[in-house]
Amino acid sequence: EDQVTQSPEALRLQEGESSSLNCSYTVSGLRGLFWYRQDPGKGPEFLFTLYSAGEEKEKERLKATLTKKESFLHITAPKPEDSATYLCAVQDSNYQLIWGAGTKLIIKP
Amino acid sequence: NAGVMQNPRHLVRRRGQEARLRCSPMKGHSHVYWYRQLPEEGLKFMVYLQKENIIDESGMPKERFSAEFPKEGPSILRIQQVVRGDSAAYFCASSRSAQETQYFGPGTRLLVL
Repeated sequence: EDQVTQSPEALRLQEGESSSLNCSYTVSGLRGLFWYRQDPGKGPEFLFTLYSAGEEKEKERLKATLTKKESFLHITAPKPEDSATYLCAVQDSNYQLIWGAGTKLIIKP
Repeated sequence: NAGVMQNPRHLVRRRGQEARLRCSPMKGHSHVYWYRQLPEEGLKFMVYLQKENIIDESGMPKERFSAEFPKEGPSILRIQQVVRGDSAAYFCASSRSAQETQYFGPGTRLLVL
């Protein structure tokens, strides 16, 4: 069965303390892996798409990487405004997105 | 270029009433997806539509829920005879094609009293 697991469920960091979020998946026929950010009371905001193992994408303090079994979202020197829930989704062979439950990131000033 | 638009943003209904949620996709997008999200939970896929066609409704409850995306106008998610368990945030997303990135609207928060 296709499945996406995100860890940890919640992560508290001090401002400037770098860390990584994990997204592990099992899916038949991976078409792509997507990262989104969701702020309270808002819709998910697209961050990155990764298509093949070894691919990396960067945007400001965020960097996403992909292997055959998992993806990492690395956050370098985070700021309080990076606080949000980060969602991972994989696209299967039928182009349907399977979502993880998210990691709630809190950056303390 | 406006993003995905949803209205209303908040909707309050009493048990047994009908709820109609509207979604206008981004310009140039003909694929629309509806998701439901309960507090502190992830997104649950409900239905995937293209203009005038339901492509995948595997995530939609068999009763009381329906969706359409007419040739003209927004996509509509309709919930008949709402119950308290229908209270949730409903998000719409759109994409240019099935394999391209889905962009989300701000959501409609439904509260059933």
